[in-house]
Amino acid sequence: QVTLRESGPALVKPTQTLTLTCTFSGFSLSTSGMCVSWIRQPPGKALEWLARIDWDDDKYYNKSLKTRLTISKDTSKNQVVLTMTNMDPVDTATFYCAHCGSNSYFDYWGQGTQVTVSS
Amino acid sequence: QSVLTQAPSASGTPGQRVTISCSGSSSSIGSNPVDWLQHFPGTAPKLLIYSNNQRPSGVPDRFSGSKSGTSASLVISGLQSEDEADYYCAAWDDNLNGVIFGGGTKLTVL
Repeated sequence: QVTLRESGPALVKPTQTLTLTCTFSGFSLSTSGMCVSWIRQPPGKALEWLARIDWDDDKYYNKSLKTRLTISKDTSKNQVVLTMTNMDPVDTATFYCAHCGSNSYFDYWGQGTQVTVSS
Repeated sequence: QSVLTQAPSASGTPGQRVTISCSGSSSSIGSNPVDWLQHFPGTAPKLLIYSNNQRPSGVPDRFSGSKSGTSASLVISGLQSEDEADYYCAAWDDNLNGVIFGGGTKLTVL
């Protein structure tokens, strides 16, 4: 059974760096074909894909946010970490991590973690 | 700004058939499979359709997907009140080298 859980601060100040952790079970990111993505949803707005890391450490980023994002994995801990620099109030959103397999972009999702950017 | 285009809203009455469309480009839907997600606000999105027309285990066969050229569609047959949710399409874009979402369609069951 695949499960994912996001964790991180609920509140960050403008200009700070946000660090989110996705802790998962039911699969290994060292297995060929596995990957994990981060997605966010600002209040009242659409889903937005942020980044993906593959089993072989290939990384992909949303082009419009690429300079602010870093995704990494710790296979031994079953964790994927996303950092987003220079946070702004417009970055206020619910952040999700999701498992992606060979047949779909997002087949299992975490419950999401709400992040508010405010001074 | 979403690179996949969806109508912001759709509606139907119980029992009706509703179609939600998703328009992309040659570098997205035209070249890559489409997923559809169902999202109830405040909960985790749920995969409804993958690889254009495949249903994950547990998804009722009232939900079906198709793709033609640079567009994709989600059809909900026998609409039920519990289908009232937001629906998103998603696809890989070769030019952006990443996944793109549609803007979402809010389905209302009248």
